[in-house]
Amino acid sequence: AQSVTQLDSQVPVFEEAPVELRCNYSSSVSVYLFWYVQYPNQGLQLLLKYLSGSTLVKGINGFEAEFNKSQTSFHLRKPSVHISDTAEYFCAVINFGNEKLTFGTGTRLTIIP
Amino acid sequence: DAGITQSPRHKVTETGTPVTLRCHQTENHRYMYWYRQDPGHGLRLIHYSYGVKDTDKGEVSDGYSVSRSKTEDFLLTLESATSSQTSVYFCAISETSGGSSEAFFGQGTRLTVV
Repeated sequence: AQSVTQLDSQVPVFEEAPVELRCNYSSSVSVYLFWYVQYPNQGLQLLLKYLSGSTLVKGINGFEAEFNKSQTSFHLRKPSVHISDTAEYFCAVINFGNEKLTFGTGTRLTIIP
Repeated sequence: DAGITQSPRHKVTETGTPVTLRCHQTENHRYMYWYRQDPGHGLRLIHYSYGVKDTDKGEVSDGYSVSRSKTEDFLLTLESATSSQTSVYFCAISETSGGSSEAFFGQGTRLTVV
């Protein structure tokens, strides 16, 4: 069975500083990977996804993520954060084969002015 | 926006009463899910469905049942609501085929059990 680990439950970052949110997965087969963002009191929206091809994936709002198969990671990065990036971020995986969507526990990103 | 809607969006109910939440999709996606979101716990899977009449339990299924009689509808029932089931409930849909995969969420249902 697959699993997703987000090691940091909370990440405080100063405005305009870079940020990396970590995501590691466990699976015996190939996977599709996703990052979702949830702004306060809102639903979840897709930031970006990795299906195949280039391991560097660009998403909305200046975020990007890199798929690293050997380290089973899919870390999310942004070179310069803004107050509007304050949100909770969820990493998710779908296995080739059983296709069930599995989420990590989320990382709350807080931007410090 | 993906065609996925949850109803109701807000509900207050009394302890011991049954409650049914509805998730409706127009994307014809195979998988449908119900999650609950609580502070400090992230998203926890309650039940999911991989086709009409095909459902399975998630990690927090006690006290909940589901039904999927049509591709487009996935119902979550709290058989006898308790205060511990006060939460925000999210429905999601996903489909994987031909080297592509997508997953979308509903806007959530805020349920309060008093």
